[in-house]
This record gives sequence, structure tokens and C-alpha cells, in this order.
Amino acid sequence: DIQLTQSPSFLSASVGDRVTITCRASQGISIYLGWYQQKPGKAPKLLIYGASTLQSGVPSRFSGGGSGTEFTLTISSLQPEDFATYYCQQGNGYPRTFGQGTKVEIK
Amino acid sequence: QITLKESGPTLVKPTQTLTLTCTFSGFSLSSSGVGVGWIRQPPGKALEWLALIYWDDDKRHSPSLKSRLTITKDTSKNQVVLTMTNMDPVDTATYYCAHTSIYGVLVRVFDYWGQGTLVTVSS
Repeated sequence: DIQLTQSPSFLSASVGDRVTITCRASQGISIYLGWYQQKPGKAPKLLIYGASTLQSGVPSRFSGGGSGTEFTLTISSLQPEDFATYYCQQGNGYPRTFGQGTKVEIK
Repeated sequence: QITLKESGPTLVKPTQTLTLTCTFSGFSLSSSGVGVGWIRQPPGKALEWLALIYWDDDKRHSPSLKSRLTITKDTSKNQVVLTMTNMDPVDTATYYCAHTSIYGVLVRVFDYWGQGTLVTVSS
């Protein structure tokens, strides 16, 4: 199985901060990586696919990068509605796997 | 507009078999490249991928749960059914179904999700 390790697992930040979450894969996955945002009691929402392509309707303050084994999700200026848990997911092989999540909370 | 919705029991007893149905609209599971997956999330924990079925009836399962899982599709009803045998309290989770594809632009991610259904395993 391809393991995904996210860091940090928890992040405390203020509105307006720039935050970056990293996702590392245990083996190369090309650019077959997606990022999701999940709020309490809600289904995950796709933010980024193909490692760096913004899903339609997602604000441009979100950006993704990387390839191979190391990927990042960056929020350029954190907004109140961005406080949530973020997951990466690889699509290079089976089983599909998710990272353990990064919870972004208000400082 | 693509929508998916999970349905099934909210409470099952240990050792029982869980049957969940994903009813979807806005796409066809007979279209080339299209798939529907199941993902679960225990309370307060991370997402866990369970299984996928594709338009051509190719099926993929989580290796750790493969012996307990069955995924089928009914294209005429726009439904995907997941069965999980020998349920245990550790299987208590919210179960989601989601749309995916292996062709086109949005490949190999889950771009549309159902609202999820909480299944509790308890005697």
C-alpha cells in the first residue's frame, strides 16, 4: 500500500496567515494526488486534483504543488471559513489511500 | 448536476452483515471511465477507502477488508451496493459513497460525495 503522511497533524493559525500542509507518499505517485477539505459533520470537499489543479469554484487562495513523493497545499491568506480538516489522497495505485488529516484551528 | 446519497441501517449488531446502497444521479455508471467508491470515517478519525466499482464492472477492494466486502452495481437503477460481513463495533463509522473517474481531467480523485450515513455497530 502507498502510505501518505501529512504534516503537521494540527495547525493553529490566525486569519490572514499563510499556511502550508505537506503530504509525503511512501513511493512515487506522479501527480495523482488530491486535497480535500472537511468541516465537522460534512462530507469532504475536493479542493485540488492532479496535485496542483484547482477544482471549479474553489477560491484562488488555495494552491497545490509537488510531484512524485512530496506535495503541498497552501492557503495564501487564511479565512474564517477555512478552519477545517484537510486530507490528501493518492490515486496512483490500489488501495486508494488518504493521509491522516491536518486540522487547522483558530489561534 | 451530480448527486449521490447513501442509505441503509443506522444500527447493526455485531456479526451481522451491513448492506448500504448508494443511489446517484447526474451520471451513468455505464459511461467509460466512471466509477463509484465507498469511503468510511470512524468518529473523530481519518478517512478510509473501502472499495471501488467501475463502468466495466472492474472492482477494487481494500486488502485489509477484502474478505468482508462485496461491491456491486445496478446500472439501470443508478445504484451501487456495498455489503460488509461480520460487523464489529470498530466498524462504527460514517460511510460515504463518491464519484470518480479514470479518464478525462478529474482523474482518480473523488469529486462528488454523498452526505454520508452513520452506521453504529452495537448489541
